[in-house]
This record gives sequence, structure tokens and C-alpha cells, in this order.
Amino acid sequence: DTGVSQNPRHKITKRGQNVTFRCDPISEHNRLYWYRQTLGQGPEFLTYFQNEAQLEKSRLLSDRFSAERPKGSFSTLEIQRTEQGDSAMYLCASSLGLAGSPGELFFGEGSRLTVL
Amino acid sequence: GENVEQHPSTLSVQEGDSAVIKCTYSDSASNYFPWYKQELGKRPQLIIDIRSNVGEKKDQRIAVTLNKTAKHFSLHITETQPEDSAVYFCAASLNSNSGYALNFGKGTSLLVTP
Repeated sequence: DTGVSQNPRHKITKRGQNVTFRCDPISEHNRLYWYRQTLGQGPEFLTYFQNEAQLEKSRLLSDRFSAERPKGSFSTLEIQRTEQGDSAMYLCASSLGLAGSPGELFFGEGSRLTVL
Repeated sequence: GENVEQHPSTLSVQEGDSAVIKCTYSDSASNYFPWYKQELGKRPQLIIDIRSNVGEKKDQRIAVTLNKTAKHFSLHITETQPEDSAVYFCAASLNSNSGYALNFGKGTSLLVTP
């Protein structure tokens, strides 16, 4: 499968613990995005990478959230001191973005987080 | 920032009928408007998109129209089939600083009954 890959697919944790999700985008894609989706809602933009540079963060991304894309390939999203309100599906998407033009976003299957 | 409103939230049609979903957006600078289909427990998948220099685009049973003046766009599905049942999301692109990240509507749950 050469699509966007995310793991783990499911994570159950206790409040206050740290969790980390990994995303492997489509190999030639330079843009990578993290979204959060809760039941009955559309995906909400969290952050965006152009290659290894994190260029934009939503105000939804509190200080407890940090994302990296160290070599411009895979990305990690870490949530520290998890809260019950963090329970959601975390979706990663990637695209091949040309200058000045949006490209099609390809989504991964997501990582579902449940905070007890 | 960009705000995307989507209506209706649920839509039930009989097989063979047409379905129309409407969205409005707030940022006149948005220039890319995709539609995604998400089946239960699966990832969102692009079904059709339109860019701001085009008013209408069609792909077999699916069409999208865009009215930039009114800042609204619509998805039209003709001759609906049970396998069209899913949640459909419209989206509008944010600015280039965010890599044209998408701002999504809340979704329309479409049910096509045989």
C-alpha cells in the first residue's frame, strides 16, 4: 500500500499520560497536514509542514501538542498530559504541492485516541 | 479565518433520485473547493474538486457548481445508488501560508434507500 500510513490505529490512555502518533506520507509528497476529527464533525486543521518546516499551526493546537517532521518524510504528533477532551481521531494527510497551487489531499486511516 | 457552512446535515433520498448539498464560505481569497466522501470508519476520499476560475465541473454522476460572487458552492449527485450512502464534506482552501490546508464543513450524512 503506497498511501498515507498512520500508527497506531487505536490508542487508549489514561488522563495525564503522553501519547505519540506517527504518519508516513506518500513518498514524493512535500506537504503534510495533521487534522483532528470528532464524531459528527468535519476534520479540523491542526498544523502543516512543507518538507521539514512547520509553517502553520492552528489556534486549536495548544502548548501540549507538538509535531515534527525531522527529515521531511514521516511526521510525529505528540500530546502531553492528555485530557479527556483530546479524545478524537487524528488524521494525517499529504499532498504534492506546487508553488502557488493547492494539491489533492490524501488522508491516512487515522489514529483514534481515547483518553480515560 | 475561513468559515465553511454546510447544509443539510442529513439527507435521505430514494435510489435514482438526485441529491444536492450546499456550502458557503467566508474568505473571498479561497480558490480551491474540494468535496470528500467518508464512509463509516474509513478515511475521507476526494470525489471532485473545483477551482475558482471555473463555474462548474462534472464527473459522470457528480457535479459541482461554484458561485464566487455569492461565495457558495454545491455538490450534485444524480441517479443516486445505495453505495453513495456516506458522509460528504465540502471544504475551502485556506491561504498559501498554511499550504492551502482545507477548512471543512460539518458534513452531510446521505442515505440512499433502495
